[in-house]
Parts: sequence; C-alpha cells; structure tokens
Amino acid sequence: AQSVTQPDIHITVSEGASLELRCNYSYGATPYLFWYVQSPGQGLQLLLKYFSGDTLVQGIKGFEAEFKRSQSSFNLRKPSVHWSDAAEYFCAVGETGTYKYIFGTGTRLKVLA
Amino acid sequence: NAGVTQTPKFQVLKTGQSMTLQCAQDMNHNSMYWYRQDPGMGLRLIYYSASEGTTDKGEVPNGYNVSRLNKREFSLRLESAAPSQTSVYFCATTSGRVSNEQYFGPGTRLTVT
Repeated sequence: AQSVTQPDIHITVSEGASLELRCNYSYGATPYLFWYVQSPGQGLQLLLKYFSGDTLVQGIKGFEAEFKRSQSSFNLRKPSVHWSDAAEYFCAVGETGTYKYIFGTGTRLKVLA
Repeated sequence: NAGVTQTPKFQVLKTGQSMTLQCAQDMNHNSMYWYRQDPGMGLRLIYYSASEGTTDKGEVPNGYNVSRLNKREFSLRLESAAPSQTSVYFCATTSGRVSNEQYFGPGTRLTVT
C-alpha cells in the first residue's frame, strides 16, 4: 500500500533562517506529489505540486520542493522563513489509478521572532 | 466564486444525535471528498465521490453516510454521533484526476459530548 511519511511532527526555526520539511513516500511508479499548508482554523491551501518534468518545483510564498526518486523524497524548502509561515504543512500523494490522495500526518512549524 | 463552502462551521452534539454536514462547490469539479482531521493523524478519507452518482468508502467510513446530491453538493451524515467522531471535517474537490490538486473548504469543527 502507498504511504506518505513526514518524520518531523514539530519544527521550530528562527525568523530569517532556512527551512526544510521532510516527506518520504512509498510508491512504485512516478507519483503525483503535493505540499499543502494549513494556517490555524483554516482549510488546506496548495503550496506546490509535482508529477513530471523538472524535479525542482517552485510554489507560492517562496517555497520550493525537490523530487528525488532515488530517495523517495519530496522535501519542502524555503531559504528564509517569515513569522507568517507558522502553520502546519502536509505532504500528499495522488494514488494513480484511483481517485484518492494519501496525506502525511503533518509537520507543525513554529517560527521564533 | 465561493470555491468550496461548508456548513455549519461549528457544531456540538450529544451522543446519539444525528446531523448532516453540507458541502457545496462552484468549481464545476467532478470529484468530491470528505476527510476528518485529528491531532497527529493528518487527514483521513471518510468517503469520496469520483463523479455525480457514485460514492465510495475511504479509510474510515464507519459511522458515516454520504449523499452526492448533484454535481455541486456532497453531504456527510452522522446517524448516531459518538464521542470518537469529535473532529474537524473537511470537504475537498478536484477535477477528477489525481494529478490535479484538491481544493478544500474551511472545515466544520464537531464536538460530540
């Protein structure tokens, strides 16, 4: 069965520092990969997605992610974190051949002033 | 365009009561989903509707029923609420292909006492 793992439940960084959130997936073929952000009390918003082509994808709010097939990873990065980036981040994979998506358990980001 | 709307935003039920959560979308999307979000567990799929007239069980369907009323509306019913159903419920839509991202509603926070 396909799965998505986000190994870090909580991450704390200082404002202005760089950020990397990890995501690993198990899937045989090239997956459809997504990163979403959820601000407190809100629904999920798409940050970026990958399904083919350039393995480094750019998203909104200055985020980027790199697909590494050899490591089954799709890590999210940002070079300089802003206080407004404090939120919960979810990695997800679209399950090919179905209509379903599988979500990781999320990483909650705290930003220190 | 309102996107994806959910009603109500908050609800408190007593054990054994029933209620229906409503979801509507104006994005002309074929597929609609109901998820529940619990701390540390990410989003878990309850039911989904790949297209108008079809519904299928997801990962955690027990205690729930759904109705795809038309292309725009997808409701989730709790027939006899239990404390274990205390959660935040999200409706989501997509155009029907898992290569495309999902669009989420703002959520319904349900407490069952």
